[in-house]
Amino acid sequence: KNEVEQSPQNLTAQEGEFITINCSYSVGISALHWLQQHPGGGIVSLFMLSSGKKKHGRLIATINIQEKHSSLHITASHPRDSAVYICAVGQGAQKLVFGQGTRLTINP
Amino acid sequence: NAGVTQTPKFQVLKTGQSMTLQCAQDMNHEYMSWYRQDPGMGLRLIHYSVGAGITDQGEVPNGYNVSRSTTEDFPLRLLSAAPSQTSVYFCASSYSDRGSYEQYFGPGTRLTVT
Repeated sequence: KNEVEQSPQNLTAQEGEFITINCSYSVGISALHWLQQHPGGGIVSLFMLSSGKKKHGRLIATINIQEKHSSLHITASHPRDSAVYICAVGQGAQKLVFGQGTRLTINP
Repeated sequence: NAGVTQTPKFQVLKTGQSMTLQCAQDMNHEYMSWYRQDPGMGLRLIHYSVGAGITDQGEVPNGYNVSRSTTEDFPLRLLSAAPSQTSVYFCASSYSDRGSYEQYFGPGTRLTVT
């Protein structure tokens, strides 16, 4: 079993829909990261959180430390949100363990 | 700031050849790392560094060497390339923010070993 599990692996939705991507982990962490990777592109850090909830524009990330679970939500989704979203847990200074990613496609 | 830069963007090697992937950052970050990304495997840590002169192995270090002589640079050396090293390689840097480490990734190097 992977230490970091994401669901779903693939998600297709219509523009405007509310999107939820889930991440569960089984190890102790210092922080949880949500990353975004566009096709053929680099990786961008969206959120880093160790408790509670963070919001940036239409993106919201939450974490429940007791349940070892995090969610990434996208409100009013748009085709430009189409990307792979990656959950990663930090175990110290530079040691990240990654989920396999969720491929999101938003159709107009 | 240029952020994290990687060269080259693309590289094709023959089995047994050696090469160095370059990574540099201009943000004065203490921490740097190398990851490889393979289909269906996610990103995996190869080597990392917590400061100039200090490096350590990650999850998949075999076949790779690193050194960190300056804060800015963290090159990854492939000693004798193998087809199993065909992958996309990402370099990242980070700094400590009250015990958490926000990651800054380079654009990646796509390596093919034939």
